[in-house]
Amino acid sequence: KNQVEQSPQSLIILEGKNCTLQCNYTVSPFSNLRWYKQDTGRGPVSLTIMTFSENTKSNGRYTATLDADTKQSSLHITASQLSDSASYICVVSVTSGTYKYIFGTGTRLKVLA
Amino acid sequence: GAVVSQHPSRVICKSGTSVKIECRSLDFQATTMFWYRQFPKQSLMLMATSNEGSKATYEQGVEKDKFLINHASLTLSTLTVTSAHPEDSSFYICSATGLRSPYEQYFGPGTRLTVT
Repeated sequence: KNQVEQSPQSLIILEGKNCTLQCNYTVSPFSNLRWYKQDTGRGPVSLTIMTFSENTKSNGRYTATLDADTKQSSLHITASQLSDSASYICVVSVTSGTYKYIFGTGTRLKVLA
Repeated sequence: GAVVSQHPSRVICKSGTSVKIECRSLDFQATTMFWYRQFPKQSLMLMATSNEGSKATYEQGVEKDKFLINHASLTLSTLTVTSAHPEDSSFYICSATGLRSPYEQYFGPGTRLTVT
C-alpha cells in the first residue's frame, strides 16, 4: 500500500534554532517527492521537488534531502523565523499511466519568539 | 509561476442550500484539476480528480451526487456542495496540473465553507 508518514506530528522551537522534519514513504513506482509549506487557512506552497537521482536540494533556508534506498526524506530549516510557523507536508508522486499524489499527514511547526 | 485562484475564499450558507466553489488556473491550461477537503489539524484528503471535458473520478467514500464537479474548460473547474449540512463545513482546496509539467501541482488558496 502506498503510504507517506511524517514525523514529528508537531514541533515547537525557539526563533533562530534549526530543525529537521522527517518523511518516510513506501510508494511505487516513485516519481518525485515534494515538500510543501501550508500556512493556516491557506493553500500549500511548494518548497522543493526532488526526483529519484537527487540527494539534496535547497531553497533559501530550507534544505531537503532524499535517500531513495531507504525511502526517506528530510526537510531541514535553518535559523528559523516566526513566519516559518506552518504545516509542512511531504507529497510523493506515483506514475502508473497517470500521476497520483500520496500525501503525508504533515508536521505542524510552531516557532516561538 | 503558475497561479491558481479560488472563489469565494469564505462562504457561509444555511443547511439544505447548495454552494458553488470556483477554481481557476490564471496563466496556464489545467488539463487536470484536483479537489481536496481539509479538516482542522489534518492533512489534505483528495475528494476527486477531474480532467477537462470528462466526468470526474471520485475517491472512495465521496458522494458524487453531493459533491458535483464540473471541469468545462481548461481554466475552470467548479465544485458544488449540494444540500449542505453542518458536517460539510471544511476547508476546500483545489489544485491543477498542466501539460508542460504534469507532475507539478499548483494549489489554490482554499475556500472556507461554514454551514449553519
